[in-house]
Amino acid sequence: NAGVTQTPKFQVLKTGQSMTLQCAQDMNHEYMSWYRQDPGMGLRLIHYSVGAGITDQGEVPNGYNVSRSTTEDFPLRLLSAAPSQTSVYFCASSSQGGFNYGYTFGSGTRLTVV
Amino acid sequence: SQQGEEDPQALSIQEGENATMNCSYKTSINNLQWYRQNSGRGLVHLILIRSNEREKHSGRLRVTLDTSKKSSSLLITASRAADTASYFCATEGGAGYSTLTFGKGTMLLVSP
Repeated sequence: NAGVTQTPKFQVLKTGQSMTLQCAQDMNHEYMSWYRQDPGMGLRLIHYSVGAGITDQGEVPNGYNVSRSTTEDFPLRLLSAAPSQTSVYFCASSSQGGFNYGYTFGSGTRLTVV
Repeated sequence: SQQGEEDPQALSIQEGENATMNCSYKTSINNLQWYRQNSGRGLVHLILIRSNEREKHSGRLRVTLDTSKKSSSLLITASRAADTASYFCATEGGAGYSTLTFGKGTMLLVSP
């Protein structure tokens, strides 16, 4: 099993550009989430989904958009990149809310906005 | 806002010693989880303890949970250099939906 796959691993954007961070999982997990990790801040939840067609906002959703058309994929869209969005982005998935199993994380996308 | 707060922020020990990290949280939870993150890598799930459990073991890991004090501890026994990493506690809340709220982590350095 590949687990959770994130692409790209690294990206540099100019302010105002848009892009999509891809996340795919092959474990048939219902729950998927996007987090950003900044130095000294730990991980903060951006958006999450409890199943195909259902998404909701997390702690820091502004400037990001998500959709969940399939169980496998949960892309994160940056609408108009800003330097404050420079961060490492992690996608995670779990089955039944992680009860007894925990979450599986991707290896991350390191994004720099200049 | 951060739910969990780990203590200490950084810990430096020698191989063979035990490492203890603490986590405090603010609201009611369904479970508490510990994750490890090696430098430049994603997070790896270590252990999950439910709100009705007090202690759990997995290999060299021992986790305790005190819901009355809203705190948890992670003990790594007989530490190895390979245990060098950041450790995060994360709570899964009681709001009915499944998201994790993370603390800021403890950076553990195990010297040979």
